[in-house]
Amino acid sequence: NAGVTQTPKFRVLKTGQSMTLLCAQDMNHEYMYWYRQDPGMGLRLIHYSVGEGTTAKGEVPDGYNVSRLKKQNFLLGLESAAPSQTSVYFCASSYGGAGSDEQYFGPGTRLTVT
Amino acid sequence: GEDVEQSLFLSVREGDSSVINCTYTDSSSTYLYWYKQEPGAGLQLLTYIFSNMDMKQDQRLTVLLNKKDKHLSLRIADTQTGDSAIYFCAESIDTGNQFYFGTGTSLTVIP
Repeated sequence: NAGVTQTPKFRVLKTGQSMTLLCAQDMNHEYMYWYRQDPGMGLRLIHYSVGEGTTAKGEVPDGYNVSRLKKQNFLLGLESAAPSQTSVYFCASSYGGAGSDEQYFGPGTRLTVT
Repeated sequence: GEDVEQSLFLSVREGDSSVINCTYTDSSSTYLYWYKQEPGAGLQLLTYIFSNMDMKQDQRLTVLLNKKDKHLSLRIADTQTGDSAIYFCAESIDTGNQFYFGTGTSLTVIP
């Protein structure tokens, strides 16, 4: 099992460019999440999905879109990147929702927007 | 969103005990978690406690929960250099599908 994988690992964008971050899990998990991690602010939830074909907004969804067309994949899109979106992005998945189910995290994508 | 607070830094000497503290605001928390993040990696679950428990022990780790004060702590006994990492507390709420993370405490173990 690869667990949770994220591509790419690093990316530099210019302001206004777009990109898509891919998260894949091979554990047949229903729930998937996208977080951003910023110094001194911990992890903040951007969007999440409770199953294939569903998405929901988290705490900081503005400027991002997501899609869950296949159960194993959760895509995070930035339509027009801004310097405020410079961050480390983590994807996570879990079998169930909030509860005793463990969230499994990917290794992160470091994004810099200049 | 929910407010989960942690101090940012902690330094201890190798062999001493470390205590990492966390406070949260929502009294309807169902589960509270401790995650560990090593440099350049994602988070890994260390342990969790159900909100109707006061204490949970797992080898060198002891979790204490004071629900009245909304205070959670993680004690690491006999701290080793390999314990140097960022530790996040997190909570989940009864009514939602979301997890709320604290700011993280960077633990440095001095040999």
